[in-house]
This record gives sequence, C-alpha cells and structure tokens, in this order.
Amino acid sequence: EVQLVESGGGLVQPGGSLRLSCAASGFTFSNFWMTWVRQAPGKGLEWVANIKQDGSEKYYVDSVKGRFTISRDNAKNSLYLQMNSLRAEDTAVYYCVRDKNVNFDYWGQGTLVTVSS
Amino acid sequence: DIQMTQSPSSLSASVGDRVTITCRASQSISTYLNWYQQKPGKAPKFLIYAASSLQSGVPSRFSGSGSGTDFTLTINSLQPEDFATYYCQQSYSTPPWTFGQGTKVEIK
Repeated sequence: EVQLVESGGGLVQPGGSLRLSCAASGFTFSNFWMTWVRQAPGKGLEWVANIKQDGSEKYYVDSVKGRFTISRDNAKNSLYLQMNSLRAEDTAVYYCVRDKNVNFDYWGQGTLVTVSS
Repeated sequence: DIQMTQSPSSLSASVGDRVTITCRASQSISTYLNWYQQKPGKAPKFLIYAASSLQSGVPSRFSGSGSGTDFTLTINSLQPEDFATYYCQQSYSTPPWTFGQGTKVEIK
C-alpha cells in the first residue's frame, strides 16, 4: 500500500523558515517524480514544486522561486521542502504527492503551515 | 502559464442525478487533463487521467471526455459519497501544472 506521510508543519513568523518532510513507503520511491501541492485555507489546489527521480531536475511555481527548495533522499525514501523567507500567503496545507507522468496519483494527508506574527 | 477555468463553481444535485462539470483550458492541451475529487478535511483523490481514462478503483459512474480546450467530467447516478469538490488539472508540456478553481457538488 502506497503511503505518504508529511511532517514539519507549524506556526512560523513572517520571514522565517520551515522544512517539511515526507516519508514514502509501499512503492519504489526512486522510480518516481515527486511533487508538493498546497492548498490555502478555503481555497483551491496549487502545484508548488516537483523533482525528478534522481534529483537532477527541479521545477517551481514562480511565487516560491528563490525561497523554496525541493530535495529528496532516495536512500531514506524521503522528500523535503525547505521553505525560507515565508510570507502570510504561504499559509496552506502542504501535500506530498507521487507524480506519475504529472498524474498526481497518491497524496499524503497534508501538513499545515501557518505564517503569522 | 495555462489557465484552467471550471464551471459551475458549485451546484446542487440529488442522489441519482446526472452531474456534468466543465473545465476549459486557456490554450489547447490535447488530452493532458486530469480530474480529482476532494472531500472536506481530506486529501484529493485521483479520478481520471488523459481526459477520459478511469484510475483503477474509481467507480464506472465517473467518466471524462474532451480534448483541446474543453473537457467534461460526468457523474452518472450521483451517490451520497460523491458530494465533494472536483478539480481539473492540466499536465501539458511544461510546468507550472495548473488546477481549475474547483466545483463543489452539494446535496439539493
């Protein structure tokens, strides 16, 4: 059974940093692109970033470029999102998602990031 | 960036009804179109890929159609567990991969 479990969310002040983690199991992690998708409270879904199987390619939505960094550790079956210079508009539930040819077929339960003073 | 527009934003329907949700892309995306279902407080669930292919385990009352810029998600004989918000998402060419704003299906 595919499982994706996010952690690392919480309350952070504007300008602060947070690192999200996602532990994957039930599939060969190193065979798949992985993606982060976020959802602001009461809003729709927004693709944030994705990373190739070996980490050699990474893509970001414009609003987080230069502030967020996606990474992975295939030996640990883990995906990460380092978030710096956080803004109020980054407040959202962040989902770790398995990416099968840009078909987001499995999702974690999400972790809430709140940026507020 | 490719913009995805869903209509309606919400609808009310009864159990047993046939429901149709439309998704329009700002440029042609061939059939690079996926659909997701999200229930309150839960993660989205993958329903349909490549505009019309049903993901494994998804009930056959769900179907998708369309190509180019105009797409449709149809739910035949709406069931109580189908009341949710539905999102389309384009997977054409290059990032960013964009979603529609969502369509909430509510009980009449």
